[in-house]
Amino acid sequence: EVQLLESGGDLVQPGGSLRLSCAASGLTFSNSVMSWVRRGPGKGLEWVSSISASGHNTYYTDSVKGRFTISRDNSKNTLYVQMNSLRVEDTAIYYCAKDGGYGDYLYNWFDTWGQGTLVTVSS
Amino acid sequence: EKVMTQSPATLSVSPGERATLSCRASQSVSNSYLAWYQQKPGQAPRLLIYGASTRATGIPARFSGSGSGTEFTLTISSLQSEDFAAYYCQQYDNWPLTFGGGTKVEIK
Repeated sequence: EVQLLESGGDLVQPGGSLRLSCAASGLTFSNSVMSWVRRGPGKGLEWVSSISASGHNTYYTDSVKGRFTISRDNSKNTLYVQMNSLRVEDTAIYYCAKDGGYGDYLYNWFDTWGQGTLVTVSS
Repeated sequence: EKVMTQSPATLSVSPGERATLSCRASQSVSNSYLAWYQQKPGQAPRLLIYGASTRATGIPARFSGSGSGTEFTLTISSLQSEDFAAYYCQQYDNWPLTFGGGTKVEIK
């Protein structure tokens, strides 16, 4: 069974930084395309970022470009997102999601999701 | 950016009845690159449909997707108690990937 377990969510002040992690098991992580999707309070789902299996190709929504960095360590079966210059509007539950694609080929739909980790940006 | 609009925001349905959820795109979604997800409170989203009409692994046949271009529909043929949840559509035709605001299916 594929399992994705996020961690690292916390309360942080505006302008602060946070790194989220997603530990994966039950899959060939090194061949899996991975993404982060968030859900703000009272809002719908919002795609944040995706990374190819090799880590060579990354993609971001405009609102986080230059502030967030997605990465992965295939030796540890772990996905990361480094979040800098956090804003109040970044407050959300952040989900780690596995793309239906493989290798460097993204399908851009998500067949497995984690339970999420809560990030609160507030002074 | 393709804006996805779902309607209605809330749908009240009795168990055993049919539920029809709508998803409209602001621009045409090529190749029917449209997915549907279910999310229950406190749980992770679950993929139901991709390619507008292909059921994901393990999804019951009572869930069906249809549509093309700018109009898409998710139909639940006979609502079971476990189907009361929020449903989201998502286009993956181009970047940024975008989701609809969701439809909450509640017990009537």
